[in-house]
Amino acid sequence: EVHLMESGGVVVQPGGSLRLSCAASGFTFDDYTMHWVRQSPGKGLEWVSLITWDGGSTYYAGSVKGRFTISRDNSKNSLYLQMNSLRTEDTALYYCAKDRTAMAELDYWGRGTLVTVSS
Amino acid sequence: DIQMTQSPSTLSASIGDRVTITCRASQSISSWLAWYQQKSGKAPKFLIYKASSLESGVPSRFSGSGSGTEFTLTISSLQPDDFATYYCQQYDSYPITFGQGTKLEIK
Repeated sequence: EVHLMESGGVVVQPGGSLRLSCAASGFTFDDYTMHWVRQSPGKGLEWVSLITWDGGSTYYAGSVKGRFTISRDNSKNSLYLQMNSLRTEDTALYYCAKDRTAMAELDYWGRGTLVTVSS
Repeated sequence: DIQMTQSPSTLSASIGDRVTITCRASQSISSWLAWYQQKSGKAPKFLIYKASSLESGVPSRFSGSGSGTEFTLTISSLQPDDFATYYCQQYDSYPITFGQGTKLEIK
């Protein structure tokens, strides 16, 4: 059974940094592209970033480009999101999601980890 | 960026009703469209890919259609478990973008 578990969400001040993690199990992690998607409280879904199976390619939403960095450690079945220069508008529930085809068809999602950016 | 616009934003319907949600893209995305269902406090669930292909395990009362810029998600006979928020998502080009969501409520 596929399982994705995010962690690392906390309350952080504007301008601060944070690293989110996503632990994956139940599938061959290094075969799949992975994504981060976020959802601000009471709002819709916003795609954040993706990383290909080998880490060779990454893509970012314009709203986070230059501030966030996605990475993965296939030996640990783990996905990461390094978040720098955080803004209040980055406050959201952050989900990691598995991409079934490397085409952004997101077939499994974790339960999310909450990041709150507030002074 | 490709903008995805869903209508309506809220839909009130009864058990057994047939409902349709529309998703429009700001430019052609061929058939590179997915649909997700999200219940309150839960992660999104993957329903449909390539505009009309049903994910394994998803009830057959769900169907998708369309290509280019206009797409629909239809639920043929609403069940109690279907009341949720639905999102479309394009994956024709980066950045990947979602519609704003359609909340399906019990009438």
